[in-house]
Amino acid sequence: EAGVTQFPSHSVIEKGQTVTLRCDPISGHDNLYWYRRVMGKEIKFLLHFVKESKQDESGMPNNRFLAERTGGTYSTLKVQPAELEDSGVYFCASSQVAGGPDTQYFGPGTRLTVL
Amino acid sequence: QKEVEQDPGPLSVPEGAIVSLNCTYSNSAFQYFMWYRQYSRKGPELLMYTYSSGNKEDGRFTAQVDKSSKYISLFIRDSQPSDSATYLCAMTSGLGNQFYFGTGTSLTVIP
Repeated sequence: EAGVTQFPSHSVIEKGQTVTLRCDPISGHDNLYWYRRVMGKEIKFLLHFVKESKQDESGMPNNRFLAERTGGTYSTLKVQPAELEDSGVYFCASSQVAGGPDTQYFGPGTRLTVL
Repeated sequence: QKEVEQDPGPLSVPEGAIVSLNCTYSNSAFQYFMWYRQYSRKGPELLMYTYSSGNKEDGRFTAQVDKSSKYISLFIRDSQPSDSATYLCAMTSGLGNQFYFGTGTSLTVIP
C-alpha cells in the first residue's frame, strides 16, 4: 500500500510568487492534515480536512494560505503571494479514523524556500 | 511560552548505550503522548504513544508519562546505529486532533 505522497519534494521561488503544494493521502483515508516546520522551530499544525470539509483551520497563519481538498481525495496548499517567512518544510498526514493518535501517517514533506 | 519543550541536543552515544529523551509540557489537557522518529529527508514515523500517565514498552523502547510533573520520556535500550535520527515528542488533548510537537532531539549512535 502506497504511503502519503507529496509533490514537489523541493520548491524554490521568489518572494511574491505563487506556489502550490500537493498531498495525496493514503487511499481511503478521510482525514488529511497539513503541518509546517520552520527552520529551528517545532512542527506546527495548519489545518485538518475530513473528506472535503475543513474541520479545523486554526493553524493557518494568514489569508495568503489557501488549502483545498476537492472530492475528498488529494489536497493542495497554495501560498500566494509567498513571503520569506513562509520558507520551511510542509508536511501532510492522513488517517482513517479521527481521534486515534496512532493513525496519522506522515508524508516526506515539501521543502519550500522563498528567496 | 511554548506548549512543548524538548532539548534539541545533539546527543551522541556509543552503540549499546541506554538513551533517555525527554519533553515537558504546559497544557494539562493533553491526554495522548507520542514519540516520532524522523530520518533525514523523511516524514515523521510514529514509534509509540501513551494515553494518560504510565509506562509503555515495545521492544527496546519504553515510553513514560508523568502527568503530575508534565514530563514525558522515551528510553532506548541497547541503542543501535540505525537508531540515529531525530526524535520528536508530540501530544494532543484528543479533541480536534491537533498535535503539538517538540522541536526534536537529534541522536547519533556511534558504532
